[in-house]
Amino acid sequence: QKEVEQNSGPLSVPEGAIASLNCTYSDRGSQSFFWYRQYSGKSPELIMSIYSNGDKEDGRFTAQLNKASQYVSLLIRDSQPSDSATYLCAVIGTGHSGGGADGLTFGKGTHLIIQP
Amino acid sequence: DGGITQSPKYLFRKEGQNVTLSCEQNLNHDAMYWYRQDPGQGLRLIYYSQIVNDFQKGDIAEGYSVSREKKESFPLTVTSAQKNPTAFYLCASSIASPDTQYFGPGTRLTVL
Repeated sequence: QKEVEQNSGPLSVPEGAIASLNCTYSDRGSQSFFWYRQYSGKSPELIMSIYSNGDKEDGRFTAQLNKASQYVSLLIRDSQPSDSATYLCAVIGTGHSGGGADGLTFGKGTHLIIQP
Repeated sequence: DGGITQSPKYLFRKEGQNVTLSCEQNLNHDAMYWYRQDPGQGLRLIYYSQIVNDFQKGDIAEGYSVSREKKESFPLTVTSAQKNPTAFYLCASSIASPDTQYFGPGTRLTVL
């Protein structure tokens, strides 16, 4: 049973500070990792993808991957109230129970609140 | 305007009815997916299709059926065999499989 674990929160961060979101995964063979942002009642929106160990930066967002520790994180710098949402970590693993490796396995998400 | 569309946005089903959720994409993506999201839960994979006329079961396929007759379309039928169908249903697509997936706006299904 492949699992993706996230702290459900809520994680409360002051406006302008750095928000740090963490995710661990169980499938050691996983190769592709994604962060999605989901506002209440809406569908997930892709924020970042990362495939190699290390950091990947895109604007205020930095994704970090450590395959040895099976750990993925997302840092949001200069947090804004509009960043308040649920952040979903997702992993493409090495095969689903129904066969194939194509679907994403999602964590339950971390609810982030940016306090003005 | 490229993207993924899902209809209807809200759907109400009576006990024992089959209902079909529509998913259309004009991104020229080969792969399409259906997920289900329950409150406080992550998304779970129902079915996916890597190419036209082919599809595979995901983790929770029981009580659901799909077809992929056209590249642009991947409808999901929720049958009466699905005992707890009330959920938020999300369709996604990717250029190929496996690859980065993009989501449609979702259909919220409620059983009356």
